[in-house]
Amino acid sequence: DVKVTQSSRYLVKRTGEKVFLECVQDMDHENMFWYRQDPGLGLRLIYFSYDVKMKEKGDIPEGYSVSREKKERFSLILESASTNQTSMYLCASNPSISGRPTLTYGYTFGSGTRLTVV
Amino acid sequence: KNEVEQSPQNLTAQEGEFITINCSYSVGISALHWLQQHPGGGIVSLFMLSSGKKKHGRLIATINIQEKHSSLHITASHPRDSAVYICAVRHQGGKLIFGQGTELSVKP
Repeated sequence: DVKVTQSSRYLVKRTGEKVFLECVQDMDHENMFWYRQDPGLGLRLIYFSYDVKMKEKGDIPEGYSVSREKKERFSLILESASTNQTSMYLCASNPSISGRPTLTYGYTFGSGTRLTVV
Repeated sequence: KNEVEQSPQNLTAQEGEFITINCSYSVGISALHWLQQHPGGGIVSLFMLSSGKKKHGRLIATINIQEKHSSLHITASHPRDSAVYICAVRHQGGKLIFGQGTELSVKP
């Protein structure tokens, strides 16, 4: 069964801490994504990556960075966590089509990490 | 105003009822997705549509490109259908835009 696995389901961190959220997929997908989900705002794209060491900013990249050193792993980093980063974080992946990255085809999502910053 | 609007935001139904969730969008799109998110966070892709209608089991999704509107129907609803249903559109510029979700609760 194909999977996108996020390392933690629940996480509580203090303001100012550096936070790493890890995501691993076993489908050999080229593209990986990090979203955050907040009540009333839906899912918003933070960053995505279409290849190892490649990354693109999404709609709300401020306060975040990402790392993709290996194809199967995409990490989201909160350099200095703040309370407004308390949210549900979702990782997703999908394959490229004909060698071109696509934002919508064949998404598989992880189960999410609920991060609380206190 | 959001570019993708879903209605209703919350829906409670009795088991067996026919359910409709609506999605309207204001941008040009090349595809529309319906996603299902169960309690606990996991999201599953139900349908991807660019025209017409698709059916999978008790789920039916339709799209009217001219009216910029899509509907997700659930026939003979069951408590296990309780979830958040999310509409997402691919903007012609490539960006994926999500609706706010519809929280469905089906009571036995």
